[in-house]
Amino acid sequence: DGGITQSPKYLFRKEGQNVTLSCEQNLNHDAMYWYRQDPGQGLRLIYYSQIVNDFQKGDIAEGYSVSREKKESFPLTVTSAQKNPTAFYLCATDRGLAGTEAFFGQGTRLTVV
Amino acid sequence: GQQLNQSPQSMFIQEGEDVSMNCTSSSIFNTWLWYKQDPGEGPVLLIALYKAGELTSNGRLTAQFGITRKDSFLNISASIPSDVGIYFCAGQGSGGSNYKLTFGKGTLLTVNP
Repeated sequence: DGGITQSPKYLFRKEGQNVTLSCEQNLNHDAMYWYRQDPGQGLRLIYYSQIVNDFQKGDIAEGYSVSREKKESFPLTVTSAQKNPTAFYLCATDRGLAGTEAFFGQGTRLTVV
Repeated sequence: GQQLNQSPQSMFIQEGEDVSMNCTSSSIFNTWLWYKQDPGEGPVLLIALYKAGELTSNGRLTAQFGITRKDSFLNISASIPSDVGIYFCAGQGSGGSNYKLTFGKGTLLTVNP
């Protein structure tokens, strides 16, 4: 079954702990993205990667880190430096070309207590 | 950076009514995409537009790519309860880092049976 898999669906962590969200794709897409969504807000770009071993900061990268060691995987770590980490996190992929269409995973809801 | 203004922010309509929402940009886009997000899920692509003036339908949905390349609209005809959700527009620029999408803040649609 092709697509984008985010895991887990729900994640609870204590304040001050780092946590890593998984995003795996088998669409053979070059570009991968992480977005954060808060209630009533749009999608805000955290990090993106257009090729393996390379990634760029988005609009709200502070307190987050990523890696892109494999084409299929783009994990996001929410560090203790992120002041307000509770949110819905969405991973997306596309072919990294003009006129491409982005596809999303089902999201991970992170709650920090 | 590029900004998209999506309106209205929310809509409350009766089943059977038609719906219209739009996005305007301060910049030119080469691709416009429309997504729908159900609660707790990732956005799903509804319609993709690639050419200025293009009018595309997908069932009860119709979207148009504005002639100026700075706007797009989405119409839903004869709404039904399952149309409830958040609708996002997204625009893609012409190249380099502009391949990544810029999203509107979304239109929350509520349909009363």
